[in-house]
Amino acid sequence: DAGITQSPRHKVTETGTPVTLRCHQTENHRYMYWYRQDPGHGLRLIHYSYGVKDTDKGEVSDGYSVSRSKTEDFLLTLESATSSQTSVYFCAISESTGVRGYPPLHFGNGTRLTVT
Amino acid sequence: AQSVTQPDIHITVSEGASLELRCNYSYGATPYLFWYVQSPGQGLQLLLKYFSGDTLVQGIKGFEAEFKRSQSSFNLRKPSVHWSDAAEYFCAVGSNSNSGYALNFGKGTSLLVTP
Repeated sequence: DAGITQSPRHKVTETGTPVTLRCHQTENHRYMYWYRQDPGHGLRLIHYSYGVKDTDKGEVSDGYSVSRSKTEDFLLTLESATSSQTSVYFCAISESTGVRGYPPLHFGNGTRLTVT
Repeated sequence: AQSVTQPDIHITVSEGASLELRCNYSYGATPYLFWYVQSPGQGLQLLLKYFSGDTLVQGIKGFEAEFKRSQSSFNLRKPSVHWSDAAEYFCAVGSNSNSGYALNFGKGTSLLVTP
């Protein structure tokens, strides 16, 4: 299994509070991603990173920010949590150069976030 | 943007029976296609992938998938299902947009295996 650790695994927070989720990888992969998973929606891309300090928005980025100060860490921050951000958040990583075709994503075990 | 559709939200099969999970893609050129499996409380695990070449690809856990361009499909199959195959299955396609190597996922098919 790819070395991806997400923390915390579970979190309950109140509306309006800031929340930071962490993803740590030991694979030295260039690309890192944050997805959210919701019933009936599958997985949707929030933000991704293509290197240290290089990030960009995904499909559902409103209300979220990210940072990547080291290759191994990718942080997802909810500046002011809302109930609509109750979800399961997955971090994923992928290789880039030297891979034939399209590199697969490798996923962490997720963080279940409940906003009350 | 490239997308995939999984027409079946839930599927129930008996243990030992064959399985086919459907996936249709929307993309003009040859897409990069993947199948993932998710067990409860776990992350997604790659079952198999298709880029080009042989249209029948073998994956882990005895799964295979067949790429059919004429039907825009990439269906997942297994000849004999085991109780441990009960899980959520996701089809995904390479986004081919400015998002690194992100994948666009279908909404998933939940597989229930009965004794």
